[in-house]
Amino acid sequence: GAGVSQSPRYKVTKRGQDVALRCDPISGHVSLYWYRQALGQGPEFLTYFNYEAQQDKSGLPNDRFSAERPEGSISTLTIQRTEQRDSAMYRCASSPRGGLGTEAFFGQGTRLTVV
Amino acid sequence: EDKVVQSPLSLVVHEGDTVTLNCSYEVTNFRSLLWYKQEKKAPTFLFMLTSSGIEKKSGRLSSILDKKELSSILNITATQTGDSAIYLCAVTYSGTYKYIFGTGTRLKVLA
Repeated sequence: GAGVSQSPRYKVTKRGQDVALRCDPISGHVSLYWYRQALGQGPEFLTYFNYEAQQDKSGLPNDRFSAERPEGSISTLTIQRTEQRDSAMYRCASSPRGGLGTEAFFGQGTRLTVV
Repeated sequence: EDKVVQSPLSLVVHEGDTVTLNCSYEVTNFRSLLWYKQEKKAPTFLFMLTSSGIEKKSGRLSSILDKKELSSILNITATQTGDSAIYLCAVTYSGTYKYIFGTGTRLKVLA
């Protein structure tokens, strides 16, 4: 597609429910990132994919968070048993070569609210 | 620990003013520094600075990288209300593909 597309744009869920956030990167981009951004803060790294391989998941806060990119294109970030502290803007980004002299392009984000 | 610090945290100016935003970093094996503008939608890319490109300019915006001081500035001249946004600085370094972001500077330009 023309840009990075994320869905849903907004998600309200009850505490304890699982949620799945979707990211469709720019066509042909090798690298895909998930970031979380709290109000008034910069994006915080969660995880990185190179094609379908999850090469860095050091930013995932705990084992309730997982991500996949099975065919090297669309990615899903799943949060199990959501808690109120998970409420944030979740941003996906893609880049042609991932930090190697290229910029990352961001999607509009999914605003997650856990009530 | 890798760190990117931006200052000021927020800034209010009037149209026509010139502003300078600061970004300092502490990373090992620095590779590049990027500036983004974040309005209500997605952060949009402004500049990328590396050892081989320490100064960039686009219209009223310009940026310089000071590798000795481990910092960068983003200048906006003749500010307009449309420049109101959060300006984010990010750094990359060898050994990782991730971008490390600062907390951003919130700029408000008054008419």
